[in-house]
Amino acid sequence: NAGVTQTPKFQVLKTGQSMTLQCAQDMNHNSMYWYRQDPGMGLRLIYYSASEGTTDKGEVPNGYNVSRLNKREFSLRLESAAPSQTSVYFCASSFSGTSGRGVGETQYFGPGTRLLVL
Amino acid sequence: QKEVEQNSGPLSVPEGAIASLNCTYSDRGSQSFFWYRQYSGKSPELIMFIYSNGDKEDGRFTAQLNKASQYVSLLIRDSQPSDSATYLCAVTGYNKLIFGAGTRLAVHP
Repeated sequence: NAGVTQTPKFQVLKTGQSMTLQCAQDMNHNSMYWYRQDPGMGLRLIYYSASEGTTDKGEVPNGYNVSRLNKREFSLRLESAAPSQTSVYFCASSFSGTSGRGVGETQYFGPGTRLLVL
Repeated sequence: QKEVEQNSGPLSVPEGAIASLNCTYSDRGSQSFFWYRQYSGKSPELIMFIYSNGDKEDGRFTAQLNKASQYVSLLIRDSQPSDSATYLCAVTGYNKLIFGAGTRLAVHP
């Protein structure tokens, strides 16, 4: 049981290049999330998918696109990378978003992808 | 006003002391409240969650929730150097969690 996995672990891009960050979970969770974390900024939500077939913008969606490929996989794409997108990216999953009792909304995080855009 | 506010720290406590971490939130509709720990260079990991007013204890950790004051705290008893990390508070929003920026805790021997 691997939990949440992310690939790659580290990536260097040049400005204008594109790439896709991959995320997969094996916990049969319905909801998946992409965050970025910058020093002093905490976790900022980029996009989320409350269930298979749906995606919604989070706090900082500009410059990103997502695909909920199936229940297990949720990818994040940078079409034209910019230095401002240098960050650590975390994928997370939860059983649901709104159970109201904590268990359903508990998010489990992947190990992160460190992205450097030159 | 930020939706979830935490003092960035660092909060420095001696080994064996009680560390008290605080968090306030703005949405009165939030139902569940979470504390995550994040070691440097690692991903956040859940410590505990709470959804009822009062205290919830798990080992050396106690979460306290006061919905009327929109305040949630985490107490760490008998603090150890291994507790040195950033502690993230999170509250439920619509289909998502809203995270604070975190408080850095340093436990010194």
